[in-house]
Amino acid sequence: QQQVKQSPQSLIVQKGGISIINCAYENTAFDYFPWYQQFPGKGPALLIAIRPDVSEKKEGRFTISFNKSAKQFSLHIMDSQPGDSATYFCAAFNAGGTSYGKLTFGQGTILTVHP
Amino acid sequence: DAGITQSPRHKVTETGTPVTLRCHQTENHRYMYWYRQDPGHGLRLIHYSYGVKDTDKGEVSDGYSVSRSKTEDFLLTLESATSSQTSVYFCAISDRASRTGYQETQYFGPGTRLLVL
Repeated sequence: QQQVKQSPQSLIVQKGGISIINCAYENTAFDYFPWYQQFPGKGPALLIAIRPDVSEKKEGRFTISFNKSAKQFSLHIMDSQPGDSATYFCAAFNAGGTSYGKLTFGQGTILTVHP
Repeated sequence: DAGITQSPRHKVTETGTPVTLRCHQTENHRYMYWYRQDPGHGLRLIHYSYGVKDTDKGEVSDGYSVSRSKTEDFLLTLESATSSQTSVYFCAISDRASRTGYQETQYFGPGTRLLVL
């Protein structure tokens, strides 16, 4: 089944804290896991992505942790800043089979970072 | 920003009327997508296109049709708008160079906010 479940729906963090957003998937054929960031009134934009052959990917303050056996992956935002306040979507991509060429998105997490 | 425009940006319409949303790209990307965004549901794929005149359904295609007569334009039509189609609609594009070692980056347009009364 092509589902990606994301939690929490909303998250409030103090400036300097760590924000953690979790996602779980069911389809083991997914082979690429991006995170998108969306600011109010804008379209989503790619933030960071990981392939299932690695367990962690870090870009600046943003880190994806990937657990293939548990079919879970998470986004960690270190030293969270008010400018990180946005909606975050996890997603999964399947390169083959009947779902070729499509991203399946999670439900989204609204992150608010208080100054 | 990727060269993607959507028109109109805002629209109010009445139940039962047809509505067409336009997505225009200047990137010459092969793949184009239409999503709707609703609270609690994230982004859901309506239809997508993998080339001129080549389209396929997404997970929420009922009540929607699409057309792509040129690489740069992808039209979404609500055949008879209903209140349940009130949403924010996003167009996205991507250009996958190969099936191996690729990264599926989709570039999103600014969105169209549609209200069906």
